[in-house]
Amino acid sequence: AQSVTQPDIHITVSEGASLELRCNYSYGATPYLFWYVQSPGQGLQLLLKYFSGDTLVQGIKGFEAEFKRSQSSFNLRKPSVHWSDAAEYFCAVAITSGTYKYIFGTGTRLKVLA
Amino acid sequence: ETGVTQSPTHLIKTRGQQVTLRCSSQSGHNTVSWYQQALGQGPQFIFQYYREEENGRGNFPPRFSGLQFPNYSSELNVNALELDDSALYLCATSDGTSGGAGEQFFGPGTRLTVL
Repeated sequence: AQSVTQPDIHITVSEGASLELRCNYSYGATPYLFWYVQSPGQGLQLLLKYFSGDTLVQGIKGFEAEFKRSQSSFNLRKPSVHWSDAAEYFCAVAITSGTYKYIFGTGTRLKVLA
Repeated sequence: ETGVTQSPTHLIKTRGQQVTLRCSSQSGHNTVSWYQQALGQGPQFIFQYYREEENGRGNFPPRFSGLQFPNYSSELNVNALELDDSALYLCATSDGTSGGAGEQFFGPGTRLTVL
């Protein structure tokens, strides 16, 4: 069955430090891949997406993600975290063969220390 | 350009009742997806509608049903409510590109509590 795994439930980093959030998926082919951010009281916002082509994708707010087919991973990175990045981050895949299906991971809650 | 709106914001129902949640699509978007997000969990895909037809469905029972109207607004109906249906219900709209996997714009959600 298709699935998305975010192994880190919580991550704490200091402001200015680098960040990497992990995401692994299980699917027989390459799905469409996404990262979303959800802040308290805010809706889900798309950070970036991968459909095909260059495996390093740039997103909003200084985030980037790298697709690694051999590891079925799509990890999110940011070189220097800001306090305003504290939020919940969700990795998601869209599977469009046959009927459409969209699968989210369980999320990683990011805490930023001043 | 208006964003995705959902109504109501909050709702309290009792077990066995029926509920209808509404979503207004962002301008130019013909595709709507509904998600259930339980506390501390990621959103779970319920179904998607494209031009008034169901285009995909997640692992939800038939008592979860939907409609999409000609103006692309949408409803989510849940019959015979159970306690586990308590959650934040999100709708997301997109322009139907990339086989339904184009960028989705999410509404703020409806918080449903079942007592």
